Amino acid sequence: GQQVMQIPQYQHVQEGEDFTTYCNSSTTLSNIQWYKQRPGGHPVFLIQLVKSGEVKKQKRLTFQFGEAKKNSSLHITATQTTDVGTYFCAGPRGSSNTGKLIFGQGTTLQVKP
Amino acid sequence: DGGITQSPKYLFRKEGQNVTLSCEQNLNHDAMYWYRQDPGQGLRLIYYSQIVNDFQKGDIAEGYSVSREKKESFPLTVTSAQKNPTAFYLCASSRRTDTQYFGPGTRLTVL
Repeated sequence: GQQVMQIPQYQHVQEGEDFTTYCNSSTTLSNIQWYKQRPGGHPVFLIQLVKSGEVKKQKRLTFQFGEAKKNSSLHITATQTTDVGTYFCAGPRGSSNTGKLIFGQGTTLQVKP
Repeated sequence: DGGITQSPKYLFRKEGQNVTLSCEQNLNHDAMYWYRQDPGQGLRLIYYSQIVNDFQKGDIAEGYSVSREKKESFPLTVTSAQKNPTAFYLCASSRRTDTQYFGPGTRLTVL
């Protein structure tokens, strides 16, 4: 069945270091979404990428969607303690527009001050 | 103030009891979803509804039931048939653009 995998599962960095999480889908996606979940909180939508090869930036966060629309990455430059949390990628399930998403397992980021 | 609310925030249940988790949204979204999250895990879809009076099973529907009598409300009942109900339950809603907006969640503990 359709799968979305994320690596790494956990990442510990020193404050100021960069961080990258990778998302790989078993199928071509019409779009990829990224969510952030703070410890004890709920997932919050960050961004959606739609076009092949698309790159979007939000301050220190850079999101990329692969040319084949099967992989994506989130890169954080110069991490801060406020970046702590779990980052999930998600893509539409199947080919029909049902609104259902399939989520990756998430990458949990810890930042040491 | 628009958004999704879930209640209660924490819920304790004795084995063998059914319990209903509330989810309300005032975003005028057609679609609503229930997910289960276990520690260190991703989100697993329990049930979803695209329109009032209609809903479909997700990946892990066994032991759960839902209703969608109003557009704003999508309650989830965790029945005694659910073998391992202790988890964090998240409700979400969306328009047809797929982006989902999550409620604050309910942490259910079975004693």
